[in-house]
Amino acid sequence: AQSVTQLDSQVPVFEEAPVELRCNYSSSVSVYLFWYVQYPNQGLQLLLKYLSGSTLVKGINGFEAEFNKSQTSFHLRKPSVHISDTAEYFCAVSRVEGGKLIFGQGTELSVKP
Amino acid sequence: KAGVTQTPRYLIKTRGQQVTLSCSPISGHRSVSWYQQTPGQGLQFLFEYFSETQRNKGNFPGRFSGRQFSNSRSEMNVSTLELGDSALYLCASSQGRSYEQYFGPGTRLTVT
Repeated sequence: AQSVTQLDSQVPVFEEAPVELRCNYSSSVSVYLFWYVQYPNQGLQLLLKYLSGSTLVKGINGFEAEFNKSQTSFHLRKPSVHISDTAEYFCAVSRVEGGKLIFGQGTELSVKP
Repeated sequence: KAGVTQTPRYLIKTRGQQVTLSCSPISGHRSVSWYQQTPGQGLQFLFEYFSETQRNKGNFPGRFSGRQFSNSRSEMNVSTLELGDSALYLCASSQGRSYEQYFGPGTRLTVT
């Protein structure tokens, strides 16, 4: 079975500061990794994905994440955040054979002016 | 391409009633999954359909059911609604089982 732990439930940060949202996962089989963002009253939007290849993955809106197999982590980073990045962020895993996504509990990113 | 669409967007039902939610996947996508999102339990997997067959089911009671049609559109049904079924129900589609999932805006169900 797979599980995902997002280490911070809330992350407050000032505008233009860097941010890191932490995600650790547990799995006995190979997995794909994803980060999704959810704005208020909306569905989930795919930010980036790690399927294979380079461990540094770049996504939309200037976000990137690094897959670290030895530490079973997939932390999300952005060098300079904007007010519009205020949202909830979800880390998720799925088996490479496909099927269901297992989500973390989410991290609420709050960007202050 | 149009994204995943879900209807209705909002729904209010009474305990004991039943409800049907609809999901139209992105054109060409053959896999549809459903998730329930609540403040207490977070995002939980309900079911996955691929080529009209249920491939995977989450840990939900039998009151929750679903199906997929030949055009890949999917419906989920909840019978004998309980207050605890109040949630945002999200549908996601993908090209196939080993591809990333794209989500719709969700249906907000309130049970009173």
